[in-house]
Amino acid sequence: EIVLTQSPATLSLSPGERATLSCRASQSVSSYLAWFQQKPGQAPRLLIYDASNRATGIPARFSGSGSGTDFTLTISSLEPEDFAVYYCQQGSNSRFTFGPGTKVDIK
Amino acid sequence: EVQLVESGGGLVQPGGSLRLSCAASGFSVSSHYMSWVRQAPGKGLEWVSVIYSGSSTYYADSVKGRFTISRLNSKNTLYLQMNSLTSEDTAVYSCARGYLGTFDIWGQGTMVTVSS
Repeated sequence: EIVLTQSPATLSLSPGERATLSCRASQSVSSYLAWFQQKPGQAPRLLIYDASNRATGIPARFSGSGSGTDFTLTISSLEPEDFAVYYCQQGSNSRFTFGPGTKVDIK
Repeated sequence: EVQLVESGGGLVQPGGSLRLSCAASGFSVSSHYMSWVRQAPGKGLEWVSVIYSGSSTYYADSVKGRFTISRLNSKNTLYLQMNSLTSEDTAVYSCARGYLGTFDIWGQGTMVTVSS
């Protein structure tokens, strides 16, 4: 099983600041890495797929980078609606896995 | 509109069984890989199972041998048969449509509580 580790567990920032979230895989997942946003009581929302491609309707302030084992999700300038939990997920084989999540909360 | 709607959750005793359904609209479940993902209360996302267009299936180690994923193309519906349930299986179960190694459409989920 490919294990995903996310850091930090919690990121406390103010609106307008830049957020940088990290995801590390226990072995290479090539570029098969996605990022999700989840708010309380809501289904996860796909933000980024294939490490760096924004999903339909996702604002340009969200960007993804990386390949192999190290990946980054960057939110260039936090909007009030961006405070949520973010999960990375790998799909390099048929046993998908999710990271434990990073909570972005208001400082 | 592309949509997934789960049903079938509820309270079940340890050792019991439950079958979840996921009705799809706006697309064919047979044309995409489809998965079940669960989230225990206050916890993160855990992938459970996948079924591919060719009907190959895979499971997380935590449910292998107890859960069975299937679909009925004529009803455009995905299923999850869950047997030998334990308290560790208590979670919201969501179905999701596969897309390029990830999942682009999610249902709102159905709650499964395993308790005596």
